[in-house]
Amino acid sequence: KAGVTQTPRYLIKTRGQQVTLSCSPISGHRSVSWYQQTPGQGLQFLFEYFSETQRNKGNFPGRFSGRQFSNSRSEMNVSTLELGDSALYLCASSIAMGVGYEQYFGPGTRLTVT
Amino acid sequence: TQLLEQSPQFLSIQEGENLTVYCNSSSVFSSLQWYRQEPGEGPVLLVTVVTGGEVKKLKRLTFQFGDARKDSSLHITAAQTGDTGLYLCAGAPLNNDMRFGAGTRLTVKP
Repeated sequence: KAGVTQTPRYLIKTRGQQVTLSCSPISGHRSVSWYQQTPGQGLQFLFEYFSETQRNKGNFPGRFSGRQFSNSRSEMNVSTLELGDSALYLCASSIAMGVGYEQYFGPGTRLTVT
Repeated sequence: TQLLEQSPQFLSIQEGENLTVYCNSSSVFSSLQWYRQEPGEGPVLLVTVVTGGEVKKLKRLTFQFGDARKDSSLHITAAQTGDTGLYLCAGAPLNNDMRFGAGTRLTVKP
């Protein structure tokens, strides 16, 4: 079974631009979560989608948004990029949402904002 | 302040040595997970501990969940260079969103 895939793997953008990242979960997984990882803050939860609905949201500004499609694939969007948005963005999928369902991570998208 | 405090932050040891890393919180978790992450990759799930006092073994790795379900430890016996990586603990308190510790960066030298 194929793992979680994320595209693109690397991205360089300038301040003020917007960016869209894509995640394809493991086949059969219906929950997709997004995380931001930086050296200073570690792994921080952005949001979780299940059955095309956002179920949980972390403490990030409204510039960060996402969506999930009927095939469980998910995208996240960051508008008006800031230098501090430079990070590794990780997507994780699980069979269902809720405590106890194990998450499987993709390799991440490394975003650099200049 | 992290909800999950991991210690030590950095650990550098020689191949063959034993080590223990810790994950502590003041919150109760219904389960805790341990991941290992290598540079440029996403975290890989190692184990999930669910029951207070539970001990799980994965080859040379031993995971323990505290009796009160607020803390966990990971012990590695006879470390190998392939064990090098960032070890992360994670859990969702009270059915809230998943939280990760800052991690322990382990380097095993040959």
